[in-house]
Amino acid sequence: NAGVMQNPRHLVRRRGQEARLRCSPMKGHSHVYWYRQLPEEGLKFMVYLQKENIIDESGMPKERFSAEFPKEGPSILRIQQVVRGDSAAYFCASSHHGTGSSYNSPLHFGNGTRLTVT
Amino acid sequence: AQKITQTQPGMFVQEKEAVTLDCTYDTSDPSYGLFWYKQPSSGEMIFLIYQGSYDQQNATEGRYSLNFQKARKSANLVISASQLGDSAMYFCAMRELNAGNNRKLIWGLGTSLAVNP
Repeated sequence: NAGVMQNPRHLVRRRGQEARLRCSPMKGHSHVYWYRQLPEEGLKFMVYLQKENIIDESGMPKERFSAEFPKEGPSILRIQQVVRGDSAAYFCASSHHGTGSSYNSPLHFGNGTRLTVT
Repeated sequence: AQKITQTQPGMFVQEKEAVTLDCTYDTSDPSYGLFWYKQPSSGEMIFLIYQGSYDQQNATEGRYSLNFQKARKSANLVISASQLGDSAMYFCAMRELNAGNNRKLIWGLGTSLAVNP
């Protein structure tokens, strides 16, 4: 399966613990996006990364949240000291951008990680 | 500011009939792309169809077509011959060309479609 792979599918953490969400983009894709979806809502942009670089993190809370996309390995979204309000579905998406106008490149999504903070 | 509006929180359609899901958008960028995604109850986000702001014809993908009215800033999704498996949430999204390095999608709140047998 060459799609976007996210794991784990479900993650339960107690308040104060750390959550690590992993995302492997589609083969050949070097652009990764993280989105958060709360119940009954659309997706909210969090962060956009290319290999080893954070391009836009305007949607990510300044504290407790961090993201990386190393040269080797998956992209990681890390949430430290989780609180109940962090409970949501976290989606990773990847795309391939060629030269010139690439705004028509669709994002391909993983199945998401559903984080529950108890 | 860019914005996507989906005014129908929920829709019902009879199996085998066509249904239109509304989407209006707001942007000052003349170059943009519009996307529709489907999210079934299992949770994954499935890309359906794309329409570019400069495309002369309405996009079509199988039973999906996009009724693109640029002057009205609307990009409604039409699903023909509805099937039970079409029951899902449907999201409209937009990306602007002149957003520089920022290629994030702006999302609507979604429309929940239920197909009745």
